[in-house]
Amino acid sequence: SQTIHQWPATLVQPVGSPLSLECTVEGTSNPNLYWYRQAAGRGLQLLFYSVGIGQISSEVPQNLSASRPQDRQFILSSKKLLLSDSGFYLCAWSVWAGGASDTQYFGPGTRLTVL
Amino acid sequence: AQTVTQSQPEMSVQEAETVTLSCTYDTSESDYYLFWYKQPPSRQMILVIRQEAYKQQNATENRFSVNFQKAAKSFSLKISDSQLGDAAMYFCASYGGATNKLIFGTGTLLAVQP
Repeated sequence: SQTIHQWPATLVQPVGSPLSLECTVEGTSNPNLYWYRQAAGRGLQLLFYSVGIGQISSEVPQNLSASRPQDRQFILSSKKLLLSDSGFYLCAWSVWAGGASDTQYFGPGTRLTVL
Repeated sequence: AQTVTQSQPEMSVQEAETVTLSCTYDTSESDYYLFWYKQPPSRQMILVIRQEAYKQQNATENRFSVNFQKAAKSFSLKISDSQLGDAAMYFCASYGGATNKLIFGTGTLLAVQP
């Protein structure tokens, strides 16, 4: 069966510090991978998605970036965090099946607080 | 463009009773899918139910069922025999095959009263 991991689970960082959040998927090959952010009491905002190694699409211009160094690894980074980067970050995966890759499965999330 | 609207910010139900959460959507795509996700206090998003838009039959997963009205672009979730563990934020979402994007509504917070 497939599993998705995210770490760290919780992170407190000062403004201006760098960021690296990691997401890995097990039990599947060539998944689509996604990064979402959820502000407190709000819905999910798609930040990046990737359909393959080295292929990243950005949905929202900001000081965050994403990379996919391996098939089942997706990394969210920042060189300098802003207060507005605080939130709950969720990674998700999907695979092509039956002509669609519609169903996304989510990891446990990382709670980021920027002080 | 796709939009998903959940007009009920909060709902409450008595344990063992039935509750219906509302969702409307708009999409220009002919090939799309609809979902309900549950987000408990742990905040992990859990897939509750999936509906293929080309299927007229409403999806069902145990105590969870949907009422999919394609012409009205309505996709409501019915929870039968509500349990305390059903208390969570529920998100409606729409996926478009052409855009490969999952668009979420703003959520409905469901409280279950013992």
